[in-house]
Amino acid sequence: GAGVSQSPRYKVAKRGQDVALRCDPISGHVSLFWYQQALGQGPEFLTYFQNEAQLDKSGLPSDRFFAERPEGSVSTLKIQRTQQEDSAVYLCASSDRDRRSYNEQFFGPGTRLTVL
Amino acid sequence: DAKTTQPTSMDCAEGRAANLPCNHSTISGNEYVYWYRQIHSQGPQYIIHGLKNNETNEMASLIITEDRKSSTLILPHATLRDTAVYYCIVSPPLLNFGNEKLTFGTGTRLTIIP
Repeated sequence: GAGVSQSPRYKVAKRGQDVALRCDPISGHVSLFWYQQALGQGPEFLTYFQNEAQLDKSGLPSDRFFAERPEGSVSTLKIQRTQQEDSAVYLCASSDRDRRSYNEQFFGPGTRLTVL
Repeated sequence: DAKTTQPTSMDCAEGRAANLPCNHSTISGNEYVYWYRQIHSQGPQYIIHGLKNNETNEMASLIITEDRKSSTLILPHATLRDTAVYYCIVSPPLLNFGNEKLTFGTGTRLTIIP
């Protein structure tokens, strides 16, 4: 079946521009996560949704970062007034947490954001 | 969550067993050990997890020491497609919604040599 998809795969933005990154989770998956991965580092947690509810946004680095999942399926991560330090790969993951007893998350390929 | 320590990089000959160690000396009694891997330009992929018993699936085996302070992921017959960064992660049990975020370290870069 279809996995997690993300778009765009690559995004180049000028410093100060706003960007929106999209995640299409696996159909029916309740849980959705966003992670940020800097070059040479492991992914770092940004935020988590259970259906449309954002239960944890403790990893969002600043108030320029905003995520939503209004209908409990597709999610968008928005970054306002991008800065060079926002350059990273943004990974989305989903899981059928409600039907699974262990923490298997299914990751998309990521969006590579480059801020010039 | 407990911190994990892994070697930065390892090489393994194709066809041989790859043994990837992980230290997690501060693991709590109810925390699980998970392994994920990330092939270049892809998102991480779940491999296996365990609590205290050794586990095996179609991808790998997981050996956890009796004191649970360390573990080893074993890829029994490594192929070139196993070249990836392997992450050892300690995570609490899924008791309630909201505690499933994964805390990745920097992992071990495993290179399979032809």
